[in-house]
Amino acid sequence: NAGVTQTPKFQVLKTGQSMTLQCAQDMNHEYMSWYRQDPGMGLRLIHYSVGAGITDQGEVPNGYNVSRSTTEDFPLRLLSAAPSQTSVYFCASSGVTDTQYFGPGTRLTVL
Amino acid sequence: GNSVTQMEGPVTLSEEAFLTINCTYTATGYPSLFWYVQYPGEGLQLLLKATKADDKGSNKGFEATYRKETTSFHLEKGSVQVSDSAVYFCALTAPSGGYNKLIFGAGTRLAVHP
Repeated sequence: NAGVTQTPKFQVLKTGQSMTLQCAQDMNHEYMSWYRQDPGMGLRLIHYSVGAGITDQGEVPNGYNVSRSTTEDFPLRLLSAAPSQTSVYFCASSGVTDTQYFGPGTRLTVL
Repeated sequence: GNSVTQMEGPVTLSEEAFLTINCTYTATGYPSLFWYVQYPGEGLQLLLKATKADDKGSNKGFEATYRKETTSFHLEKGSVQVSDSAVYFCALTAPSGGYNKLIFGAGTRLAVHP
């Protein structure tokens, strides 16, 4: 049981480039979410999904896109990276309880 | 709206000292309350949780009691170890916000010295 996995661990982008952060879970969890962690601000919810084919916006969705075609995968797309998107990104999943399991994170730098 | 406020860090303690990290919340209805811990270079792990008033969550010597009258969920440990050095996040999920949407405090960094 790998839990929640994220790739890549580190990424450097130039302003305007696009990329996809990958997230996968093998616990058959219906709920998946993406957070960003910035110093002094805790974690903030970007987008979430309550099941395959269903996604919704969180607190800070601008500049990010998501889709959920399978239960296991929940990729996060940056369409045109900006320096303000420099952050650490965490994916999480949960099942029937409200306990969320987090991935190890992706550290993104946008120059 | 729903929010979490926790004490600013860093908190620096000697090994075997008593730890308290304060956390208060604002929420509609009856939230579930959580403490997550983030060790250096890792993701967040659930440390403990409580789902109703007066519940006490406990794990690895840490404990926190859900106090509805003071809207608080303070984290305590009687004797900290160097291995407890990490960032601790207080968080809640509230029925009005969706039971799986975690709202986090800013985090408190704990450094324990031998």
